Amino acid sequence: AQKITQTQPGMFVQEKEAVTLDCTYDTSDQSYGLFWYKQPSSGEMIFLIYQGSYDEQNATEGRYSLNFQKARKSANLVISASQLGDSAMYFCAIRRTRNTPLVFGKGTRLSVIA
Amino acid sequence: SAVISQKPSRDICQRGTSLTIQCQVDSQVTMMFWYRQQPGQSLTLIATANQGSEATYESGFVIDKFPISRPNLTFSTLTVSNMSPEDSSIYLCSVGWGPNTEAFFGQGTRLTVV
Repeated sequence: AQKITQTQPGMFVQEKEAVTLDCTYDTSDQSYGLFWYKQPSSGEMIFLIYQGSYDEQNATEGRYSLNFQKARKSANLVISASQLGDSAMYFCAIRRTRNTPLVFGKGTRLSVIA
Repeated sequence: SAVISQKPSRDICQRGTSLTIQCQVDSQVTMMFWYRQQPGQSLTLIATANQGSEATYESGFVIDKFPISRPNLTFSTLTVSNMSPEDSSIYLCSVGWGPNTEAFFGQGTRLTVV
């Protein structure tokens, strides 16, 4: 079975500062994918970034980067230059392939302060 | 990328009634996934819908309560039957996409049962 652990229920960050959201995972699969999603108060799930288990480079997408440490089974999300619009719930998730479902962590609520 | 149209976006329903949620994908996909997100919680998988076969339900979810249809490779419905206030949640459909790098969600259905 796969499991995601997000230990930070809530985080605060000053506008324009960087913030790291923690995610650790557990899986017995050799091949898997790790995802981060943003969920604003509207409820939609916005895909942010993906990291494959065999990817040697850390994934980056604009202001988002994923600090992937395979041996430690961690996949932390780094948001640089935080903006007020970044305030939302953030979920880390794992899956085996595109035809298998995502397994989510409990999420971290990020609040960006002006 | 895949675009998923989910409707309704929100509804307020009387207890004891049923609501059918629709998801339309702009491309053919093998698997569609239905999730429930109870207030303040993470996403929990309800079932996996594969075209041409019965949906596979997760522990705690039964077909009589959450019947699913998957008539073709671009469409699926989830019905929430005999609703009670405990069914008040956001319901989301999702599909995998690409070689392994994407997972998209519909906009979500915010259901309130009174």
